[in-house]
Amino acid sequence: DAGVIQSPRHEVTEMGQEVTLRCKPISGHNSLFWYRQTMMRGLELLIYFNNNVPIDDSGMPEDRFSAKMPNASFSTLKIQPSEPRDSAVYFCASSPGGAGARETQYFGPGTRLLVL
Amino acid sequence: GDSVTQMEGPVTLSEEAFLTINCTYTATGYPSLFWYVQYPGEGLQLLLKATKADDKGSNKGFEATYRKETTSFHLEKGSVQVSDSAVYFCALSGKGTGGGADGLTFGKGTHLIIQP
Repeated sequence: DAGVIQSPRHEVTEMGQEVTLRCKPISGHNSLFWYRQTMMRGLELLIYFNNNVPIDDSGMPEDRFSAKMPNASFSTLKIQPSEPRDSAVYFCASSPGGAGARETQYFGPGTRLLVL
Repeated sequence: GDSVTQMEGPVTLSEEAFLTINCTYTATGYPSLFWYVQYPGEGLQLLLKATKADDKGSNKGFEATYRKETTSFHLEKGSVQVSDSAVYFCALSGKGTGGGADGLTFGKGTHLIIQP
């Protein structure tokens, strides 16, 4: 069975450009999470969805960031306009959604974003 | 808010040495506790977890016991191998109520290097 799929794996863009990161969760999973990893701040939760509904977006750094989950098999994280400080590895994770906080989250390979 | 503190590395050991990576947490309620491992260029993989006090999680020779009285979840392994070289993250999932998934709060990560 395929794991969490993220695209692109690497993205290099210039400051001010729009960036869209994509995620396909594991089939049948009802919860989806976006995390950001940087050397300075470590791993941070940005936003998560249960049954396609955003539950907590308090980790989204600012209005330049937005996330959507139009259906159970697809989510996007968009940065517009991008800035050099957005450079990081962005991870998507999914979990089955039936056992709450006890659940294991399954991580994708990440998208490494560099904003010049 | 919730937080996780773990020893910062790098931690360098010789093969077959005993490993301990300390992890303590601050949380309200009864969180679930996790250890994730990240190999270079990859996403995070669950190593083990414990969902209530005094539970012991174990996998691949690694163990950790959920100690509510000391708010700790230290990772141990009796004899490490070169292949254990990776970054290890302690994490908690906050609500623990069983109702809906919850995002993870991570420690900063401990880089483990095992020398032959």
